[in-house]
Amino acid sequence: GAVVSQHPSWVICKSGTSVKIECRSLDFQATTMFWYRQFPKQSLMLMATSNEGSKATYEQGVEKDKFLINHASLTLSTLTVTSAHPEDSSFYICSASRPGTGSGEQYFGPGTRLTVT
Amino acid sequence: KQEVTQIPAALSVPEGENLVLNCSFTDSAIYNLQWFRQDPGKGLTSLLLIQSSQREQTSGRLNASLDKSSGRSTLYIAASQPGDSATYLCAVRDSSASKIIFGSGTRLSIRP
Repeated sequence: GAVVSQHPSWVICKSGTSVKIECRSLDFQATTMFWYRQFPKQSLMLMATSNEGSKATYEQGVEKDKFLINHASLTLSTLTVTSAHPEDSSFYICSASRPGTGSGEQYFGPGTRLTVT
Repeated sequence: KQEVTQIPAALSVPEGENLVLNCSFTDSAIYNLQWFRQDPGKGLTSLLLIQSSQREQTSGRLNASLDKSSGRSTLYIAASQPGDSATYLCAVRDSSASKIIFGSGTRLSIRP
């Protein structure tokens, strides 16, 4: 199956700093990627849809100035958590679909655990 | 707005039993439905994908059904094993194939 990677797998940062998380599709090109966050023992919440070459579409309640998304190439989307605070600590997961298959199957990255101290 | 619900939230059964996990969704205009498994602290593993035109999919001991008209899907696990212990998530992709909405998950524990 298709492979989606994320980097880093975990990161610890201090309050007020910014953290960048990368999501890569390793064996296919993805015009659209999705970013989710997951709090402990909760389900995944869609944050935004990342579109290659255009602005991301954010879900209601997600601050676009705080969670910067850049989809500069067909294989890479980045999520930058700016001025991070402890409440931003969470598990962040990205996903992508392999185009052309028509199945719409989503392939998920392994996730990035962010801890803000 | 699509809402996805999973019942039960948690389930504990002895090894060897067959079990059913339930997923319901409010808007039947879906593109597909996918079942995932998530181990603690890990990412998602795709188990089964059912297209909107399909009724069921099978993979090994797993069988997933879809009844779009009633807004329901079930994941059947046969002859459960301790290694099946995980959280199971269902996710619905809307008809425009633009968004995926996840259910809250069922935490499954298989007792040896």
